[in-house]
Amino acid sequence: AQSVAQPEDQVNVAEGNPLTVKCTYSVSGNPYLFWYVQYPNRGLQFLLKYITGDNLVKGSYGFEAEFNKSQTSFHLKKPSALVSDSALYFCAVRDTGTGTYKYIFGTGTRLKVLA
Amino acid sequence: NAGVMQNPRHLVRRRGQEARLRCSPMKGHSHVYWYRQLPEEGLKFMVYLQKENIIDESGMPKERFSAEFPKEGPSILRIQQVVRGDSAAYFCASSPPGDLNTEAFFGQGTRLTVV
Repeated sequence: AQSVAQPEDQVNVAEGNPLTVKCTYSVSGNPYLFWYVQYPNRGLQFLLKYITGDNLVKGSYGFEAEFNKSQTSFHLKKPSALVSDSALYFCAVRDTGTGTYKYIFGTGTRLKVLA
Repeated sequence: NAGVMQNPRHLVRRRGQEARLRCSPMKGHSHVYWYRQLPEEGLKFMVYLQKENIIDESGMPKERFSAEFPKEGPSILRIQQVVRGDSAAYFCASSPPGDLNTEAFFGQGTRLTVV
């Protein structure tokens, strides 16, 4: 069955330092991968997606993600973290192999950027 | 173009009452997804609907929960005889038909509190 794993419940990083939020996936077909961010008491906002093409995807607010097929990973990165990046981050996959094409989300990683 | 609209934003119900959560997808979107988020937890898939059809309800509890997306009007998530454990944030997302590459767009959520 398709699934997404975010192994870290929380990531702490100092402002100005690079950040990485990890995501691995398991699907039966080609993966369509997404990152979303959630601020307190809000809905999810789309950051970026990988469908095909270059393994490095650039998205909103300076975020990027690297698709690695051999490691089935799609880690979110940012070269220099801001305090305002502190939020809950979700990785998601849309499995093209099962026929239902629903979006499956990971459990989320809380990012805290320390001033 | 208005985004995904959910109402009410907050809903308080006594145990045993019914809760009706509404979701109007973005204009042109005919696919709707419902997710539940418990405090400090991730997003759990509940149901995927297209107009007048339930595509995937594998995440729906077997009893008390139902969903519909009629030809006209919003999608409705209905919870009968609510219990304290139903207290959560319920998010609706939508996507357009015929395009697997697109991300899902989320509403602001309905926060259900059962007292």
